[in-house]
Amino acid sequence: AQKVTQAQTEISVVEKEDVTLDCVYETRDTTYYLFWYKQPPSGELVFLIRRNSFDEQNEISGRYSWNFQKSTSSFNFTITASQVVDSAVYFCALSDLTQGGSEKLVFGKGTKLTVNP
Amino acid sequence: GAVVSQHPSWVICKSGTSVKIECRSLDFQATTMFWYRQFPKQSLMLMATSNEGSKATYEQGVEKDKFLINHASLTLSTLTVTSAHPEDSSFYICSARDQGPETYEQYFGPGTRLTVT
Repeated sequence: AQKVTQAQTEISVVEKEDVTLDCVYETRDTTYYLFWYKQPPSGELVFLIRRNSFDEQNEISGRYSWNFQKSTSSFNFTITASQVVDSAVYFCALSDLTQGGSEKLVFGKGTKLTVNP
Repeated sequence: GAVVSQHPSWVICKSGTSVKIECRSLDFQATTMFWYRQFPKQSLMLMATSNEGSKATYEQGVEKDKFLINHASLTLSTLTVTSAHPEDSSFYICSARDQGPETYEQYFGPGTRLTVT
């Protein structure tokens, strides 16, 4: 079965530190998508990235970067020079098929990041 | 970008009553919408997949008679929690998938916080 593991429940850092959020997944599919979402205290999910299983290139977007390694089934997320506004719960997710054949997302349990000033 | 709205954003109801939550795609047509549930400090769990014009597909363990889903148009899906009880108190989030070729592009609503007293 599809599974996403975010082993870090909570992380606390001081502003300007770099922080890496880990994500390990399990899937029986050869084609799949991986996602990262940010959920601030307001509750609304903010889409950060989607990565196709065939694209193992690392991606950088401003202070955010992602390291996708198929060999270890990991899709880690790094925030460089963290800021207080980065404080949120971050979810890693994996695409899966529903019973009806549609695609759904399987979420990890989330990592709560607190960035202290 | 694509916007999904939910109404209401929060609702308090008495035990035994029914509550309807609306999910609308504002600037695109969504053939498929998903309903998730999130308990405090937990991950999102898919409840059901809603396809326009057909019956919803429920995930294992979700009571279809309790959580009624209607997807009557390409821009609106509703979730009705019937005979609500305190254990139904949760954060309900919908997402909508664009009809376009980006199969895995899901856009999330801001969520509805339900409290049953």
